[in-house]
Amino acid sequence: DSGVTQTPKHLITATGQRVTLRCSPRSGDLSVYWYQQSLDQGLQFLIQYYNGEERAKGNILERFSAQQFPDLHSELNLSSLELGDSALYFCASVRGGAEITQYFGPGTRLTVL
Amino acid sequence: QQQVKQSPQSLIVQKGGISIINCAYENTAFDYFPWYQQFPGKGPALLIAIRPDVSEKKEGRFTISFNKSAKQFSLHIMDSQPGDSATYFCAASREETSGSRLTFGEGTQLTVNP
Repeated sequence: DSGVTQTPKHLITATGQRVTLRCSPRSGDLSVYWYQQSLDQGLQFLIQYYNGEERAKGNILERFSAQQFPDLHSELNLSSLELGDSALYFCASVRGGAEITQYFGPGTRLTVL
Repeated sequence: QQQVKQSPQSLIVQKGGISIINCAYENTAFDYFPWYQQFPGKGPALLIAIRPDVSEKKEGRFTISFNKSAKQFSLHIMDSQPGDSATYFCAASREETSGSRLTFGEGTQLTVNP
């Protein structure tokens, strides 16, 4: 158990809908990274937050957004969902400073029908 | 420039054998190279990691070999066990003030037969 929690575990929705994925980092970790894992694209970095602020963006679609709250949990919002958005979404947390190991949560499996 | 290439895509090894997975990177600015292990239905878990100032790192049955000039690194699993059957990902990152996003290889599905 990495200490990172993600909810929900599974999510089934329809095209055009909007969903919110939640991540709680390990206690004391300030940074959260979001990754998408799909069969055709592999594991891809989406976005990173550090202590409430956006720090880096990767291959994140404009339909996707994220935020990190004062209690350091993070949410990834996916809107106008398309079939191709079906994937596993992972968050990873990092302590920060000299500690750079990323600890991954169990993921949320999103299925868009 | 940001890619990490991983091979083979799948690997079948007999119990007790050596599993070898290879990765190559392009960006010479990468300075941290972890390997992650992922079981079905679980998130990736850090297995072992290396920095480019070291050519080899060993932790138990797992060894990373690193060749900076060739921009290649590999994972060796000695005395492979059925419990090692999982998907393995190499990754690379560059430590920046903005963080250290991981760039992953495509993954290798390892099967260890009893």
